[in-house]
This record gives sequence, structure tokens and C-alpha cells, in this order.
Amino acid sequence: EVQLVQSGGGLVQPGGSLRLSCEASGFTVSRYWMTWVRQAPGKGLEWVATIQLDGSEENYVDSVKGRFTISRDNAKNSLHLQMNSLRVEDTAVYYCARENWSPDYWGQGSLVTISS
Amino acid sequence: QAGLTQPPSVSKGLGQTATLTCTGNSNNVGNQGAGWLQQHQGHPPKLLWSNNYNRPSGISERFSASRSGNTASLTITGLQPEDEADYYCSAWDSSLSARVFGGGTKLTVL
Repeated sequence: EVQLVQSGGGLVQPGGSLRLSCEASGFTVSRYWMTWVRQAPGKGLEWVATIQLDGSEENYVDSVKGRFTISRDNAKNSLHLQMNSLRVEDTAVYYCARENWSPDYWGQGSLVTISS
Repeated sequence: QAGLTQPPSVSKGLGQTATLTCTGNSNNVGNQGAGWLQQHQGHPPKLLWSNNYNRPSGISERFSASRSGNTASLTITGLQPEDEADYYCSAWDSSLSARVFGGGTKLTVL
């Protein structure tokens, strides 16, 4: 059974950092594109970042370029999102997802709150 | 990055058919089609239809999708109370090298 279990998240002051993790089971993360999507309170889904096969290419939404880094740990079959220089507008529930033409399996979500 | 366009809300009666639309351009919907996701309040999204024209295992046959040019459509037949949710379309944009989402359509089942 395919599962994505997320950890990390929490309350951080503006300018701070957080690392989200997404542990996969039932498939091998290195064989799929993997994606992070976020959803601000009461808003729709917003794509954040995607890492392509073998980490050959990483793509980011303009608003997080230079601040967020997507990576995967093949040994631990997991995906990560390192978030630096966090802003109030980064407050959202963050989801990891497996890409299989479309994002077909999703994590349970991690709430990230940026506030002083 | 520009997103896909969806109507904010659709209302239909119990047992009726709802068709939700999603408009993009030749770099996203017109290129690879769109996937469709359902999200109930407080839950992660669930894939209903993949843009490789497949319904994932376990998804009801009441859900089907199609595409004409740069517009994708999701059709839900025999509407049930549990179909009341937010629906999002999504596609990979080959020009932006980015995944784009629609703003979502809130489906109300009367």
C-alpha cells in the first residue's frame, strides 16, 4: 500500500527556518517525480516545488525560489523541503505528493505557521 | 505563474449530473490534459482522474473526464451528498516547468 507520512511543521517567527519531511512506503521515491503543494488558510492549492527523476532538475514557484530547497533521501525513501527566510505569507498546510502523470498519492499535510 | 481557470461554484440537485470545467492553454491543458482532485474540508486532496486519461483504482465510475482543446471537463453523474466538496484541476506546464492548479470549484449538492 502506497503511503506518504509527513513530519515537521510548526510555529516559526518570520525569517526563521523549518524542514518538512515526507516518508514514503509502498514505492520507491527515486523512481518518481515528487512534489510539494501548499494551501493557505481558506485558499486553494498552490504548487511549491517538484524534484524530477534522480534529482536531475528541481522546479520552484517564483515566490519561494532561493529560499526553499526540495530534496530526497533515497536511502531513507523520503522527501524533504528545507524552508529558509520564512515569511508570513508562507503560512499554509504543506502536502507532499507523488507525481504519476498527476499527483496521485498525498501526505496528510503539515501545518506551517509563520508569526511573530 | 498563471493558473488554470475554474468557476468558483456549481450547484446541482441530488441525483443530477454536474460538469465542472477547467481552462488553460496550449502549454498545459492543451498539451498533456488535466488531472482532477477532490478535497473535503480538513482532508488532503484525492485524485479522481489522472491526465493520462485514467481513473485511479477505487474511484467511482460516476466520475469521468474529457478534454477539448485547452479546456478540460469533469463530469459527475448521479450526484450524492458525499460529492459535495472542492474540486481542483491541475496540469504540468511545459513552458513554465511548473505544475499549475485551478482556483477550485465548490460543488454544492442540493
